[in-house]
Amino acid sequence: GDSVTQMEGPVTLSEEAFLTINCTYTATGYPSLFWYVQYPGEGLQLLLKATKADDKGSNKGFEATYRKETTSFHLEKGSVQVSDSAVYFCALIGSGGYQKVTFGIGTKLQVIP
Amino acid sequence: GAVVSQHPSRVICKSGTSVKIECRSLDFQATTMFWYRQFPKQSLMLMATSNEGSKATYEQGVEKDKFLINHASLTLSTLTVTSAHPEDSSFYICSAHDRGSYEQYFGPGTRLTVT
Repeated sequence: GDSVTQMEGPVTLSEEAFLTINCTYTATGYPSLFWYVQYPGEGLQLLLKATKADDKGSNKGFEATYRKETTSFHLEKGSVQVSDSAVYFCALIGSGGYQKVTFGIGTKLQVIP
Repeated sequence: GAVVSQHPSRVICKSGTSVKIECRSLDFQATTMFWYRQFPKQSLMLMATSNEGSKATYEQGVEKDKFLINHASLTLSTLTVTSAHPEDSSFYICSAHDRGSYEQYFGPGTRLTVT
């Protein structure tokens, strides 16, 4: 079945540091890939997505590129802020037409001033 | 963008009572809605898939008689936790599949505490 593997946190960074959160996936065909963010006490918000190989999703300074050859979708941001502190989930929807979302375990990011 | 609402956002109930959680798609029609459960510091686990006008499909290990799901219209699905116990305390999140755009949108979640 489909699966998503992402680095376990917590990740602690100083403000303005570079962020990378690794994510790899296993799926048949060509899944759509997503990053969701969950702020403390809140639900999920879609951060960015990519629906085909080599697509780059970007939003709020975050980027991730759909790499079919390495089955990866790593999240990056050049300069993190304290307000980026949250839990980040990598996820996929398989290409079989069934809209079930498979989530990674989530990576907690803490940015300190 | 499309909005999915959940009600209530927080609920505290006594052990043995039932609790109903609503999930609504506010500006689009959702033929399929999903219910997830999130334990503290863990990822979301899919509980069931709710299809409008038909029975829900439950994931392995999820008790159908305990977690009753109804998807009576294209904009509303409900999850009823029957005879709740403290171990049912969790964060429940729904999502809705927009059949027009094929996007999926998540609700803000409902925190259930059973005392």
